[in-house]
Amino acid sequence: DIVMTQSPDSLAVSLGERATINCKSSQSVLSSSDNKNYLGWYQQKPGQPPKLLIFWASTRESGVPDRFSGGGSGTDFTLTISSLQAEDVAVYYCQQSYGTPRTFGQGTKVEI
Amino acid sequence: EVQLVESGGGLVQPGGSLRLSCAVSGLTFSSYWMTWVRQAPGKGLEWVGNMNQDGSEKYYVDSVKGRFTISRDNAKNSLYLQMNNLRVEDTAVYYCARGHYDFNYWGQGTLVTVSS
Repeated sequence: DIVMTQSPDSLAVSLGERATINCKSSQSVLSSSDNKNYLGWYQQKPGQPPKLLIFWASTRESGVPDRFSGGGSGTDFTLTISSLQAEDVAVYYCQQSYGTPRTFGQGTKVEI
Repeated sequence: EVQLVESGGGLVQPGGSLRLSCAVSGLTFSSYWMTWVRQAPGKGLEWVGNMNQDGSEKYYVDSVKGRFTISRDNAKNSLYLQMNNLRVEDTAVYYCARGHYDFNYWGQGTLVTVSS
């Protein structure tokens, strides 16, 4: 199984400041057949299901604010919130879809 | 509007069974892979398994293989999760989600509690 490891486990960021979350996979999730990284990012607020923010490592889902951006390739990825808003307080998960079973990172809690 | 609505959760004793349902509306259900994801109380997300459009392909996480079965009824726009021989560690909120790689629509989840 591909193990996904996020860092840090939690971080506190001031309103308007940048938040960066890291995600590392135990093996590459870059497909040689289509040159896509099979890596997604989700946001989960308390009492709600997860919400897809980013797929293919850097493609923003429709309706997601452009302050959210994803980067990286192969085994190392980042989710950046360029200017943290109050509504961004949540737990964020990375997830690989290169292999089966699909696996998630342990989550990163973002607080103000 | 796309809606996924899970049902069937509840309290069950270890070794018991439950069948979860996921009713889907607002999209062409028969065109999509569907997935079950669970989340133990206060814990992270765990992919349980998925199924292709016609039910000919199913995949499961090792911890549920041989105990859980995913099925679907495209005529009823519904996805199911039959859970047998339940264990305490299966206690979680179970979500159905649309997708094979990424999951862009989710239900609100149904809570399964396995306890004596």
